[in-house]
Amino acid sequence: KAGVTQTPRYLIKTRGQQVTLSCSPISGHRSVSWYQQTPGQGLQFLFEYFSETQRNKGNFPGRFSGRQFSNSRSEMNVSTLELGDSALYLCASSLARLAGTETQYFGPGTRLLVL
Amino acid sequence: AQTVTQSQPEMSVQEAETVTLSCTYDTSESDYYLFWYKQPPSRQMILVIRQEAYKQQNATENRFSVNFQKAAKSFSLKISDSQLGDAAMYFCAYRSAYIGNQFYFGTGTSLTVIP
Repeated sequence: KAGVTQTPRYLIKTRGQQVTLSCSPISGHRSVSWYQQTPGQGLQFLFEYFSETQRNKGNFPGRFSGRQFSNSRSEMNVSTLELGDSALYLCASSLARLAGTETQYFGPGTRLLVL
Repeated sequence: AQTVTQSQPEMSVQEAETVTLSCTYDTSESDYYLFWYKQPPSRQMILVIRQEAYKQQNATENRFSVNFQKAAKSFSLKISDSQLGDAAMYFCAYRSAYIGNQFYFGTGTSLTVIP
């Protein structure tokens, strides 16, 4: 079974631009979560989508948004990029069918550099 | 909100020796799941081991085992017969057993394996 895939793997943007990152979960997984990873802050939860609905949201400004499609693929968008948005963005999927199957499987991440 | 604390930013171990990584968490819930994830340099995060809070028996996966102390809210990872490939950042994570709750991650422990 293919793992979680994320595109693009690397991205360079300038301040003020916007960016869209994509995540394809493991086949059959219905939940997709997004995390921002930086050396100083560690892994910070952005949001989780389940069946095309945002189920949880972390403490990030409204510039960070996401959505999930009917095939469970998810996109994350960051508008008006700031230098501090430079980070590794990780996507993780899980079955989310039963509480006992809540292990998350991570993608390789998208490394975003904002200049 | 739940918090996960990893008090050891860095650890080192001699090849073939045993090392224990510490993790404590804070929660008022009785049913939850705990995880250790490994993130090698420039590689994606992978699940090492998982523990259900309702199970008294400590989880074991080959050379990896945990010491789960529910009353003390402690969840340490023991790596036996350390190998060079074990060098990575290790993250402890918590998730409620109730559907819809996010994962909470610790800040990570960087493990160096000395040949």
